[in-house]
Formats: sequence, C-alpha cells, structure tokens
Amino acid sequence: DTGVSQNPRHKITKRGQNVTFRCDPISEHNRLYWYRQTLGQGPEFLTYFQNEAQLEKSRLLSDRFSAERPKGSFSTLEIQRTEQGDSAMYLCASSLFQVPGELFFGEGSRLTVL
Amino acid sequence: DAKTTQPPSMDCAEGRAANLPCNHSTISGNEYVYWYRQIHSQGPQYIIHGLKNNETNEMASLIITEDRKSSTLILPHATLRDTAVYYCIVRVAEGGTGGFKTIFGAGTRLFVKA
Repeated sequence: DTGVSQNPRHKITKRGQNVTFRCDPISEHNRLYWYRQTLGQGPEFLTYFQNEAQLEKSRLLSDRFSAERPKGSFSTLEIQRTEQGDSAMYLCASSLFQVPGELFFGEGSRLTVL
Repeated sequence: DAKTTQPPSMDCAEGRAANLPCNHSTISGNEYVYWYRQIHSQGPQYIIHGLKNNETNEMASLIITEDRKSSTLILPHATLRDTAVYYCIVRVAEGGTGGFKTIFGAGTRLFVKA
C-alpha cells in the first residue's frame, strides 16, 4: 500500500509525558499537513510543510507542539508535557504541490492523555 | 477562504440518490468547491472538486449553481458504506508558492438506511 502511513495508531500516556507521532506521506507528494480532530468536530489545521520548509502554523499549535520534516520526506509531530486537552486524533495528509486541494489522509494517530 | 454552510445531518434510503447541499454565498471567483467525506474512525477522503462547471467522477457528481453561491454533491445510488460525514470546502487552488491550507467545517452527517 502506498498511501499515507501514521504511527503509532494509538497512544495512551500520562499527563506531563512527551509523545511523538510519525507520518510517512505518499512518496512523490511534496506537501505535508497535520490536523487535529476531536469527537464530533471536523479536522482542525495545525501546520503544513512544503518539502522540508514549515510554511504555516496555526495558533492552535502552542509552544508545546513542534513538527519537523527534516529531509522533506517523513514528518514528526511532538507534543511535550502533554495535557488532558491534547487528547484527540492527529491526522496527517499529503498532496502534490500542483494539486494542493486534493489531500490524501492517513488513518490518524489517536492520543489519550490520562 | 469563503465560509460554507451545510445541514448537520441527513438521511437517505439505500439505493436512492443522496443529495447533499452546501451554501457558499461569499465564494470568490478564484475559489474552488471541494468535497471530502470521513467514514467513522478513518481519515477524510477526497471526493471531487469543481470551479463552475458540473463535475462527475466514479464516486459522485458535483452540481454548482450558475451564480456559484451553492452546490450539491450527489451520490447516485447510496449504499450503507456511504454513511459518513461529508465536508464541503471552498478554497483557492493555487499553483504558486502561496500558503493556503484546507479548512474543514463540521460537515453533514449522512445516514444511509436499509
């Protein structure tokens, strides 16, 4: 399968711990996006990359959140000092620069903070 | 990006056409209409997009009114597997280096019933 891959699919952690999620986009896609989704809501934009450059960050992305895409391929999203309010599904998507509105999403990484 | 308005939920009988409306009265001339859907516990899936002409693909048809202030997504023969949240999004489709993200609203929850 050559779709968007996210790991881990589920993560349970205690408040105050750090967690990291990984996203492997479709190989030829140069744009990569992170979204967060809570129950009953649509996905909320967090940040996006074009190749290795982080072009935009939402105000939702507090300083406890950091995202990287060091070689323009896979990306990581780290949350430091997790809080219960961080519990959500974290979705990664990728797209071609030439077709920016057609996003391909992964299955998501579900975070539960106890 | 322009704001969209969708009904929160709709029902449809299996085998019948599902017609999902979307209002986007403030759409700009360079904004496209995109539709995504999200089946429970999965990431959103791109369905179709259009500018001003009606569009059809293997999944659905998109009908955009002449004044472009509203559109309808049509699933011609709904099946139980079409039960999902459907998101209508308007955004520019840039090919330059501009940073435009895809913003999701709450969508329409479609229930296809046997």
